[in-house]
Amino acid sequence: AQSVTQLDSQVPVFEEAPVELRCNYSSSVSVYLFWYVQYPNQGLQLLLKYLSGSTLVKGINGFEAEFNKSQTSFHLRKPSVHISDTAEYFCAVSSGFQKVTFGIGTKLQVIP
Amino acid sequence: DTEVTQTPKHLVMGMTNKKSLKCEQHMGHRAMYWYKQKAKKPPELMFVYSYEKLSINESVPSRFSPECPNSSLLNLHLHALQPEDSALYLCASSQVGREAKETQYFGPGTRLLVL
Repeated sequence: AQSVTQLDSQVPVFEEAPVELRCNYSSSVSVYLFWYVQYPNQGLQLLLKYLSGSTLVKGINGFEAEFNKSQTSFHLRKPSVHISDTAEYFCAVSSGFQKVTFGIGTKLQVIP
Repeated sequence: DTEVTQTPKHLVMGMTNKKSLKCEQHMGHRAMYWYKQKAKKPPELMFVYSYEKLSINESVPSRFSPECPNSSLLNLHLHALQPEDSALYLCASSQVGREAKETQYFGPGTRLLVL
């Protein structure tokens, strides 16, 4: 079984400040990890993914995430946020076999 | 191109209506998915088709009937829905196989309101 915990349901941050959205996972097998973003009234857009290799993963819109196997974490970071980053962010884990488990989501609110 | 398209964008239907949601992708993906997403919740998997065959059904009520007529198209037929079925219905697609790692790409969704 696999699970994802997103520790913060809401994260308010001022524009141009850095942000970290936290994600921890549990799985008994090797995992693939994803961050998706969902803007209001839209579908999910893939931000970045960790499949194997380098533990620091760079994605779109200036986001990056670091896979930490010992801490079972995959936190998402951005050094300077913009108003347009206001959205819901979902961390997800898959061990293959076509089943992806999503976290409950973190709402990032960028304050002007 | 990582585009998955869904039609219609919005749908309002009565509990006695029959309607269908459509999803299309041209990325050569051989797995396609239906998810249901309620407000302020993560997506919940409903069905998975792999090579045009139903591979996963997450105990979805029979008033939802999926169909995969070919490798690019996925339909969700709706009949006798309940108001609690109102939600955003998301389609996704992915490659299949060990190398693919099954990254799923999502469409924009169909927002369904059942009256």
